[in-house]
Amino acid sequence: EVQLVQSGAEVKKPGESLRISCKGSGYTFTNYWINWVRQMPGKGLEWMGRIDPSDSYTNYNPTFQGHVTMSVDKSISTAYLQWSSLEASDTAMYYCTRHVVTDPFDFWGHGTTVTVSS
Amino acid sequence: DIQMTQSPSSLSASVGDRVTITCRASHGIANYLAWYQQKPGKVPTLLIYAASTLQSGVPSRFSGSGSGTDFTLTISSLQPEDVAIYYCQRYSSAPIIFGQGTRLDIK
Repeated sequence: EVQLVQSGAEVKKPGESLRISCKGSGYTFTNYWINWVRQMPGKGLEWMGRIDPSDSYTNYNPTFQGHVTMSVDKSISTAYLQWSSLEASDTAMYYCTRHVVTDPFDFWGHGTTVTVSS
Repeated sequence: DIQMTQSPSSLSASVGDRVTITCRASHGIANYLAWYQQKPGKVPTLLIYAASTLQSGVPSRFSGSGSGTDFTLTISSLQPEDVAIYYCQRYSSAPIIFGQGTRLDIK
Protein backbone atom coordinates (compact mmCIF):
# COMPACT_ATOMS: atom_id res chain seq x y z
CA GLU A 1 0.00 0.00 0.00
CA VAL A 2 1.36 3.40 -1.01
CA GLN A 3 1.72 5.75 1.93
CA LEU A 4 3.16 9.19 2.48
CA VAL A 5 3.49 9.68 6.22
CA GLN A 6 4.14 13.22 7.36
CA SER A 7 5.58 14.45 10.63
CA GLY A 8 3.36 15.85 13.34
CA ALA A 9 1.96 19.29 13.99
CA GLU A 10 4.38 22.04 14.91
CA VAL A 11 3.99 25.24 16.91
CA LYS A 12 6.85 27.70 16.48
CA LYS A 13 7.74 31.32 17.12
CA PRO A 14 8.63 33.81 14.39
CA GLY A 15 12.29 33.60 13.48
CA GLU A 16 12.65 29.97 14.51
CA SER A 17 13.75 27.24 12.13
CA LEU A 18 11.77 24.15 11.25
CA ARG A 19 12.05 20.98 9.21
CA ILE A 20 9.05 18.79 8.46
CA SER A 21 9.22 15.38 6.85
CA CYS A 22 7.38 13.07 4.49
CA LYS A 23 8.23 9.36 4.43
CA GLY A 24 7.21 7.29 1.46
CA SER A 25 6.49 3.57 1.58
CA GLY A 26 4.85 0.92 -0.55
CA TYR A 27 6.54 2.07 -3.75
CA THR A 28 9.96 2.79 -5.20
CA PHE A 29 10.68 6.16 -3.63
CA THR A 30 13.13 7.32 -6.29
CA ASN A 31 10.64 6.77 -9.12
CA TYR A 32 8.33 9.62 -8.08
CA TRP A 33 8.93 13.29 -7.48
CA ILE A 34 7.79 14.65 -4.12
CA ASN A 35 5.81 17.88 -4.25
CA TRP A 36 4.95 20.20 -1.39
CA VAL A 37 1.59 22.00 -1.35
CA ARG A 38 0.61 24.78 1.04
CA GLN A 39 -2.92 25.45 2.20
CA MET A 40 -3.32 28.51 4.37
CA PRO A 41 -6.33 28.58 6.70
CA GLY A 42 -9.53 28.79 4.67
CA LYS A 43 -7.61 29.16 1.41
CA GLY A 44 -6.80 27.15 -1.69
CA LEU A 45 -3.96 24.88 -2.71
CA GLU A 46 -0.60 26.38 -3.65
CA TRP A 47 2.20 24.38 -5.24
CA MET A 48 5.46 25.21 -3.48
CA GLY A 49 7.83 23.09 -5.50
CA ARG A 50 9.09 19.57 -6.03
CA ILE A 51 12.15 17.42 -5.64
CA ASP A 52 13.34 14.40 -7.57
CA PRO A 53 14.48 11.88 -4.94
CA SER A 54 16.79 10.14 -7.39
CA ASP A 55 19.16 13.11 -7.69
CA SER A 56 17.71 15.85 -5.43
CA TYR A 57 16.96 18.09 -8.41
CA THR A 58 14.40 20.71 -7.46
CA ASN A 59 11.87 23.02 -9.05
CA TYR A 60 10.59 25.85 -6.84
CA ASN A 61 7.56 28.06 -7.25
CA PRO A 62 9.12 31.57 -7.45
CA THR A 63 6.75 32.63 -4.66
CA PHE A 64 8.53 30.30 -2.25
CA GLN A 65 12.07 30.22 -3.64
CA GLY A 66 14.59 31.48 -1.12
CA HIS A 67 12.19 31.06 1.81
CA VAL A 68 12.05 27.26 1.94
CA THR A 69 14.44 24.46 1.12
CA MET A 70 13.47 21.02 -0.12
CA SER A 71 15.72 18.06 0.43
CA VAL A 72 15.58 14.30 0.48
CA ASP A 73 17.32 11.35 2.09
CA LYS A 74 16.65 8.53 -0.30
CA SER A 75 18.30 6.01 2.00
CA ILE A 76 15.30 6.34 4.31
CA SER A 77 12.73 7.31 1.64
CA THR A 78 12.10 10.66 3.29
CA ALA A 79 11.63 14.14 1.89
CA TYR A 80 11.97 17.32 3.91
CA LEU A 81 10.69 20.87 3.77
CA GLN A 82 12.74 23.34 5.78
CA TRP A 83 12.54 26.95 6.91
CA SER A 84 15.47 28.83 8.43
CA SER A 85 13.37 31.71 9.74
CA LEU A 86 9.64 31.26 10.08
CA GLU A 87 7.12 34.05 9.71
CA ALA A 88 3.57 34.26 10.99
CA SER A 89 2.40 34.01 7.39
CA ASP A 90 3.87 30.49 7.22
CA THR A 91 0.98 29.30 9.37
CA ALA A 92 -0.67 26.69 7.17
CA MET A 93 -1.23 23.05 6.41
CA TYR A 94 1.55 21.54 4.32
CA TYR A 95 0.95 18.46 2.20
CA CYS A 96 3.46 16.28 0.47
CA THR A 97 2.33 14.49 -2.66
CA ARG A 98 3.99 12.31 -5.22
CA HIS A 99 3.92 12.25 -8.99
CA VAL A 100 5.67 11.12 -12.07
CA VAL A 101 6.58 14.12 -14.20
CA THR A 102 3.70 14.85 -16.63
CA ASP A 103 1.28 12.93 -14.38
CA PRO A 104 -0.98 14.37 -11.65
CA PHE A 105 -0.63 13.93 -7.90
CA ASP A 106 -2.02 10.48 -7.19
CA PHE A 107 -1.20 10.11 -3.49
CA TRP A 108 -1.12 12.75 -0.78
CA GLY A 109 0.23 12.76 2.73
CA HIS A 110 -2.15 13.53 5.58
CA GLY A 111 -0.65 16.98 6.02
CA THR A 112 1.44 18.75 8.65
CA THR A 113 -0.04 21.75 10.43
CA VAL A 114 2.47 24.50 11.12
CA THR A 115 1.48 27.32 13.45
CA VAL A 116 3.79 30.30 13.81
CA SER A 117 2.84 32.66 16.59
CA SER A 118 4.61 34.79 19.14
CA ASP B 1 3.08 32.06 -16.36
CA ILE B 2 -0.08 30.14 -17.06
CA GLN B 3 -3.07 30.96 -14.89
CA MET B 4 -5.98 28.65 -14.16
CA THR B 5 -9.34 30.32 -13.53
CA GLN B 6 -12.30 28.39 -12.18
CA SER B 7 -15.92 29.39 -12.27
CA PRO B 8 -18.04 29.72 -10.37
CA SER B 9 -16.18 30.31 -7.11
CA SER B 10 -19.06 28.73 -5.27
CA LEU B 11 -22.38 27.14 -6.06
CA SER B 12 -25.27 25.56 -4.31
CA ALA B 13 -27.35 22.82 -5.93
CA SER B 14 -29.97 20.26 -4.97
CA VAL B 15 -29.45 16.54 -4.60
CA GLY B 16 -29.89 14.95 -8.00
CA ASP B 17 -28.96 18.08 -9.93
CA ARG B 18 -26.44 18.10 -12.74
CA VAL B 19 -23.53 20.33 -11.74
CA THR B 20 -20.86 21.79 -13.99
CA ILE B 21 -17.66 23.54 -12.96
CA THR B 22 -15.39 25.16 -15.50
CA CYS B 23 -11.66 25.78 -15.57
CA ARG B 24 -9.95 28.04 -18.08
CA ALA B 25 -6.23 28.13 -18.78
CA SER B 26 -4.64 31.38 -19.89
CA HIS B 27 -2.63 29.44 -22.48
CA GLY B 28 -3.20 26.07 -24.13
CA ILE B 29 -2.27 23.13 -21.94
CA ALA B 30 -3.34 20.27 -24.22
CA ASN B 31 -5.06 17.79 -21.89
CA TYR B 32 -2.70 18.09 -18.89
CA LEU B 33 -5.59 18.96 -16.63
CA ALA B 34 -6.58 17.26 -13.38
CA TRP B 35 -9.48 17.75 -10.98
CA TYR B 36 -9.21 17.23 -7.23
CA GLN B 37 -11.87 17.03 -4.57
CA GLN B 38 -11.26 18.25 -1.04
CA LYS B 39 -14.01 17.40 1.41
CA PRO B 40 -14.25 19.49 4.58
CA GLY B 41 -11.28 18.83 6.84
CA LYS B 42 -9.85 16.19 4.55
CA VAL B 43 -6.90 15.67 2.25
CA PRO B 44 -7.43 16.45 -1.45
CA THR B 45 -7.99 13.43 -3.66
CA LEU B 46 -7.54 13.00 -7.40
CA LEU B 47 -10.79 12.68 -9.33
CA ILE B 48 -9.89 13.08 -12.98
CA TYR B 49 -6.66 13.38 -14.95
CA ALA B 50 -5.80 13.91 -18.60
CA ALA B 51 -8.90 16.12 -18.65
CA SER B 52 -11.33 13.21 -18.92
CA THR B 53 -9.88 10.03 -17.37
CA LEU B 54 -11.57 8.95 -14.17
CA GLN B 55 -9.21 7.96 -11.38
CA SER B 56 -9.75 4.42 -10.12
CA GLY B 57 -12.49 4.23 -7.51
CA VAL B 58 -14.14 7.53 -8.40
CA PRO B 59 -17.91 7.25 -8.95
CA SER B 60 -19.04 7.34 -12.55
CA ARG B 61 -21.30 10.35 -11.92
CA PHE B 62 -18.12 12.42 -12.19
CA SER B 63 -16.83 13.23 -15.66
CA GLY B 64 -14.42 15.66 -17.26
CA SER B 65 -14.03 17.15 -20.69
CA GLY B 66 -12.08 19.73 -22.62
CA SER B 67 -8.73 20.35 -24.21
CA GLY B 68 -6.50 23.31 -24.84
CA THR B 69 -7.80 26.13 -22.67
CA ASP B 70 -11.35 25.22 -21.61
CA PHE B 71 -12.28 22.36 -19.33
CA THR B 72 -15.30 21.20 -17.40
CA LEU B 73 -16.00 18.93 -14.46
CA THR B 74 -19.54 17.54 -14.40
CA ILE B 75 -21.39 15.71 -11.67
CA SER B 76 -24.34 14.07 -13.36
CA SER B 77 -26.47 13.63 -10.24
CA LEU B 78 -25.29 15.49 -7.15
CA GLN B 79 -25.08 13.46 -3.95
CA PRO B 80 -24.77 14.76 -0.37
CA GLU B 81 -21.27 13.29 -0.10
CA ASP B 82 -20.13 15.50 -3.01
CA VAL B 83 -20.05 18.58 -0.78
CA ALA B 84 -16.46 19.72 -1.20
CA ILE B 85 -14.13 22.21 -2.80
CA TYR B 86 -13.04 21.24 -6.29
CA TYR B 87 -9.72 22.32 -7.76
CA CYS B 88 -8.41 22.09 -11.29
CA GLN B 89 -4.68 21.72 -11.86
CA ARG B 90 -2.29 22.06 -14.75
CA TYR B 91 0.41 19.46 -14.14
CA SER B 92 2.43 19.13 -17.33
CA SER B 93 5.46 21.07 -16.17
CA ALA B 94 6.73 23.41 -13.48
CA PRO B 95 5.30 25.64 -12.18
CA ILE B 96 2.35 23.41 -11.42
CA ILE B 97 -0.75 25.57 -11.11
CA PHE B 98 -3.98 25.06 -9.20
CA GLY B 99 -7.19 26.90 -9.87
CA GLN B 100 -8.56 28.94 -6.99
CA GLY B 101 -11.20 26.31 -6.17
CA THR B 102 -14.98 25.99 -6.43
CA ARG B 103 -16.97 25.41 -3.26
CA LEU B 104 -19.96 23.14 -3.81
CA ASP B 105 -22.77 22.96 -1.28
CA ILE B 106 -26.16 21.31 -1.11
CA LYS B 107 -29.13 23.64 -1.40
